[in-house]
Amino acid sequence: AQKITQTQPGMFVQEKEAVTLDCTYDTSDPSYGLFWYKQPSSGEMIFLIYQGSYDQQNATEGRYSLNFQKARKSANLVISASQLGDSAMYFCAMREGWAAGNKLTFGGGTRVLVKP
Amino acid sequence: GAVVSQHPSRVICKSGTSVKIECRSLDFQATTMFWYRQFPKKSLMLMATSNEGSKATYEQGVEKDKFLINHASLTLSTLTVTSAHPEDSSFYICSARDAGGVHNSPLHFGNGTRLTVT
Repeated sequence: AQKITQTQPGMFVQEKEAVTLDCTYDTSDPSYGLFWYKQPSSGEMIFLIYQGSYDQQNATEGRYSLNFQKARKSANLVISASQLGDSAMYFCAMREGWAAGNKLTFGGGTRVLVKP
Repeated sequence: GAVVSQHPSRVICKSGTSVKIECRSLDFQATTMFWYRQFPKKSLMLMATSNEGSKATYEQGVEKDKFLINHASLTLSTLTVTSAHPEDSSFYICSARDAGGVHNSPLHFGNGTRLTVT
């Protein structure tokens, strides 16, 4: 079974509008972390935002916010006021457990194209 | 912020030769580094977990004799693709997490290496 599922392979968004990228996960570990990364066409992976399984508040980082619904096992990324530079691939990822050596498992990604 | 340097960024080699990719954590120590492979328009697939001073842990289906990993210090891991073939052509990305980081510290990624085997 997939541990991280991103159901939207690609989407268009109008500049200055908000966009929500879906992510659902599957784990039996009560301690886990959820991450979102952005990958522009140049290939580098840019860390955007983090949500821990015990965090009571939804994470926010500038224009990025995470809609964390623990019971539904979803961690959707919301990008507000989209900019042309937001066009990229976006990956949701999960780390099970807190150890530094624990791997990150990635979802299939969502390609976002911001239209002017 | 934490920086991971990966070299080379791009390499073209002939079939049958070996290629070494270096991954360095520049301003932090990493007891563990991770090597991912990414096919065009696909996600990152973990190949192996590189542990400083010990053998790497390979994911199922990854040939350890094909993809040699050495993690000789707290700041350097290398991936050697041995006897490369065209099907090894891909984008390889390394990543590391600060050994002193807390649970919410992210993986920091290198800029990747695009390998083309002719």
